Amino acid sequence: DAGVIQSPRHEVTEMGQEVTLRCKPISGHNSLFWYRQTMMRGLELLIYFNNNVPIDDSGMPEDRFSAKMPNASFSTLKIQPSEPRDSAVYFCASVFTGTANTGELFFGEGSRLTVL
Amino acid sequence: AQSVTQPDIHITVSEGASLELRCNYSYGATPYLFWYVQSPGQGLQLLLKYFSGDTLVQGIKGFEAEFKRSQSSFNLRKPSVHWSDAAEYFCAVKSPGRRALTFGSGTRLQVQP
Repeated sequence: DAGVIQSPRHEVTEMGQEVTLRCKPISGHNSLFWYRQTMMRGLELLIYFNNNVPIDDSGMPEDRFSAKMPNASFSTLKIQPSEPRDSAVYFCASVFTGTANTGELFFGEGSRLTVL
Repeated sequence: AQSVTQPDIHITVSEGASLELRCNYSYGATPYLFWYVQSPGQGLQLLLKYFSGDTLVQGIKGFEAEFKRSQSSFNLRKPSVHWSDAAEYFCAVKSPGRRALTFGSGTRLQVQP
């Protein structure tokens, strides 16, 4: 079975450019999460969706960040304009949240973003 | 609010030695608890989880963890470490009413030959 698929795996861009990260969750999973990993702050939850609806976006750093989930099989995280402090690894994770589940998340391999 | 503390940033052990990675959580009731492993350049892989029942939980790759309510701890153990266990290990907590996991800061494990 395919896991969570993220693209691109690596992105190098210049400050001020728009960055779009993509995620395809595991088929059948109805919750999707975006996390950011940095040395200083560790793994931080940015936003999560349930049934394609954003539930908690309190972790989104500022208005430069936006996330969408137009359907159950695709999500994007956009940064516009990007800044050097956005450099991090961005992880997407998914899970099926129904009854009798313990909610462990399944992670993609991450998108490493470097903003020069 | 729930939180997770991993007091050891970096641990070095010799191959074949035993391992214990510490994790303490803060939450009013019993949360769901997880250990994940991250190899360099990779995503996070679930090692094991606890949500109820037997407080000693067995996971993949020979790892186990013990939930101790009195100490609010969920320490990860392995009796004999292999070189391939070198990675970063994350403890995570989830309250039953919440979907997202809260992660600790991670412990980087180095294995000496």
